[in-house]
Amino acid sequence: EIVLTQSPGTLSLSPGERATLSCRASQSVTSSYLAWYQQKPGQAPRLLMYRASSRAIGIPDRFSGSGSETDFTLTISRLDLEDFAVYYCQQYGSSPLTFGGGTKVEIK
Amino acid sequence: QVQLQQWGPGLLKPSETLSLTCAVSGESFRGFYWTWIRQPPGKGLDWIGDIQHTGDTNYNPSLTSRVTISVDTSEDQFSLNLTSVTAADTGVYFCARGRRGDHRYFDFWGPGTRVTVSS
Repeated sequence: EIVLTQSPGTLSLSPGERATLSCRASQSVTSSYLAWYQQKPGQAPRLLMYRASSRAIGIPDRFSGSGSETDFTLTISRLDLEDFAVYYCQQYGSSPLTFGGGTKVEIK
Repeated sequence: QVQLQQWGPGLLKPSETLSLTCAVSGESFRGFYWTWIRQPPGKGLDWIGDIQHTGDTNYNPSLTSRVTISVDTSEDQFSLNLTSVTAADTGVYFCARGRRGDHRYFDFWGPGTRVTVSS
């Protein structure tokens, strides 16, 4: 099973700042099959990125993803108020599918 | 636009069986991985398993002895059965659509069902 470790656990930033979230895999993720999700309290997760760097439909271009093998990054170039939430990475390169523990982006 | 609507009991006693159903509308049911994911209170997401319209299933090895996912293609619905529940099974259960082929990320989600296991 691939274990995904997200860091930091919490990121305290102000609107307009840049957010950099990390997801590290315990072994290489096949074909960069890594997705990112945003979750707000009481809601289902929302798909942001797939295959590490492809934005899902309707996702603003301030969100970008990068990385390969074991190290992946989600960057939010300028935080909007609606971006304060919890973010999860998920690998789908091997079974069982696994998620990271999440990074909370909170208002400073 | 794909919509997933889910339902099932929210309160169970230990040793009972959790049964949830998810109905899909708005797009073809075929070719996707229809998936159950859960989230313990205050924690992250856990993949439970998935099923295709053919009935082919994949389960998380940590749950495979207790979980069954089934499909009703005539109604575009799929269901989760989890037997012998304990307090550790408490959480929010989501149904979701996994993309075709190798791309099993989740682009549409149900709203979630909160399940509590308590005597």
